[in-house]
Amino acid sequence: ELKVEQNPLFLSMQEGKNYTIYCNYSTTSDRLYWYRQDPGKSLESLFVLLSNGAVKQEGRLMASLDTKARLSTLHITAAVHDLSATYFCAVGMEYGNKLVFGAGTILRVKS
Amino acid sequence: DVKVTQSSRYLVKRTGEKVFLECVQDMDHENMFWYRQDPGLGLRLIYFSYDVKMKEKGDIPEGYSVSREKKERFSLILESASTNQTSMYLCASSSLGGVPYGYTFGSGTRLTVV
Repeated sequence: ELKVEQNPLFLSMQEGKNYTIYCNYSTTSDRLYWYRQDPGKSLESLFVLLSNGAVKQEGRLMASLDTKARLSTLHITAAVHDLSATYFCAVGMEYGNKLVFGAGTILRVKS
Repeated sequence: DVKVTQSSRYLVKRTGEKVFLECVQDMDHENMFWYRQDPGLGLRLIYFSYDVKMKEKGDIPEGYSVSREKKERFSLILESASTNQTSMYLCASSSLGGVPYGYTFGSGTRLTVV
């Protein structure tokens, strides 16, 4: 059974600081997705990572995938208040069409 | 712009009512999903469908049923609403295999059962 573990679950950061959110998963997969959710809103796709070593960047966020270690990271550079949200990773099951989601990381950036 | 549309943003229903939550996608996606999201519990899969008239139970199907009569529409039905079904309900769709874009989510329906 595929399990996805995110840590930390809650992250309070100062503006301008760097930090990394980790997403570990338990079985083989080569599809990993990051989503952002603002309070009261739905999930918005951030990154799609489809191969080992994949790295994607958008603004102050950078995501990477290491399929051998079964690990993805979401790195935040020089955080700003607008990045405050909940971030989910989701891993594609090896067979079938489902994604398994992590519990989410609540990020609060303080000015 | 591709879309998943959920018919209601907010809904208040009484205990025992039959409730229909509708979801429509315009991307010709094969797969559609219903999740509920509760604080501290993350996203939990209720039902999903990979084809018209096909459905499979997710992790928490009890108290729910679904209908997919057309490819673009996936309905979630609460047969007899209860207060413990108060939640945010999210519909999602994806192409076969989920690649390359993963899921596209609707805007969510916040259901309150009183």
